[in-house]
Amino acid sequence: AQKVTQAQTEISVVEKEDVTLDCVYETRDTTYYLFWYKQPPSGELVFLIRRNSFDEQNEISGRYSWNFQKSTSSFNFTITASQVVDSAVYFCALSEANYGQNFVFGPGTRLSVLP
Amino acid sequence: DADVTQTPRNRITKTGKRIMLECSQTKGHDRMYWYRQDPGLGLQLIYYSFDVKDINKGEISDGYSVSRQAQAKFSLSLESAIPNQTALYFCATSDPGLAGSDTQYFGPGTRLTVL
Repeated sequence: AQKVTQAQTEISVVEKEDVTLDCVYETRDTTYYLFWYKQPPSGELVFLIRRNSFDEQNEISGRYSWNFQKSTSSFNFTITASQVVDSAVYFCALSEANYGQNFVFGPGTRLSVLP
Repeated sequence: DADVTQTPRNRITKTGKRIMLECSQTKGHDRMYWYRQDPGLGLQLIYYSFDVKDINKGEISDGYSVSRQAQAKFSLSLESAIPNQTALYFCATSDPGLAGSDTQYFGPGTRLTVL
């Protein structure tokens, strides 16, 4: 069955520190997709990235980067030089091509960036 | 204007009342979803619809029903609300691509409190 684990419930860092949010997934499918979403204090869910299981290249977008490693079933998210506006709950999610029709979300990691 | 809208944004009701939450989208997507979010549990899928004539139960459908009135509209009903249905409810949409690859786009959420 699909499962997404985000072992870090809450993280606090001081502004300008780098921080990595961990995501570990379980799937029996060979084709699957991984996602990250951000939920700021205002409550909406903002899509950040999608990665398919055949593409293990790391992705960088500004201060955000993602490290996908199939060998460890992980899709970790790093924020470089964190800012107060990065404070949010971050969700990792998994969608399977063949065995599941829908997203499975992890429980989320609450990131607090302190000034 | 927002692509996915939800009404109402906040609702307080009493046990036993019937409640309808509405979702509209202008993204032209065929697929629509209803989730609930409880603290520390991530998002759980209630119902989903891949087109107007297709309705499917998610992992926590008991106590809920849905109606897909048109491609752009998907309503969630609580026939007889109970306090443990107090939660944040999200509507989402997606456009079908390769199996499992849909990125879901979320509405702003409806905060429901059942007293």
